Amino acid sequence: DSGVTQTPKHLITATGQRVTLRCSPRSGDLSVYWYQQSLDQGLQFLIQYYNGEERAKGNILERFSAQQFPDLHSELNLSSLELGDSALYFCASSVSGSQGTDTQYFGPGTRLTVL
Amino acid sequence: TQLLEQSPQFLSIQEGENLTVYCNSSSVFSSLQWYRQEPGEGPVLLVTVVTGGEVKKLKRLTFQFGDARKDSSLHITAAQPGDTGLYLCAGQYGNKLVFGAGTILRVKS
Repeated sequence: DSGVTQTPKHLITATGQRVTLRCSPRSGDLSVYWYQQSLDQGLQFLIQYYNGEERAKGNILERFSAQQFPDLHSELNLSSLELGDSALYFCASSVSGSQGTDTQYFGPGTRLTVL
Repeated sequence: TQLLEQSPQFLSIQEGENLTVYCNSSSVFSSLQWYRQEPGEGPVLLVTVVTGGEVKKLKRLTFQFGDARKDSSLHITAAQPGDTGLYLCAGQYGNKLVFGAGTILRVKS
């Protein structure tokens, strides 16, 4: 158990819909990261927040948005869903915001299926 | 095109055998990390290497960072079924972490 929690574990929805994925970081971690993992693209970094502020942006589509709240939990919003958005979405957290040197602790993921 | 190329993509070996997984790039990385991911779970960090030429050992696992900080290898000695999983390398590129496509390792008993 990494200490990072993600809900829901599974999500099945239809094209064109909007969903919200939730992540609670480990106690004491200020930074939250979102990743998308699919068979054809592998693990792709989407976005990072540090103490409520956006720190880094990766391959995140304009239809996707995220935020980190004052209690440090984070939400990833996916809208106008397409079949290709079906993937595993992981949240990770770390103490500081230094990607590459900080230890990132990954949650168990949310499996999104768009039908 | 992947910034980080991992090879092989898939490896199936018998318990007790040795193996090496490679992670290569044409770019220089500030640091490189190796993760292991089991089905239904998130990746777990195994090691971070920062200095060119650095070698780190974690029980039967040996990690090496290339002198030019463009490549890395993971060597497992006497593989066990518990080593089965997806091994991912990830490099710090600017302020982002870039992952390779991974190597699926299956160790048969």
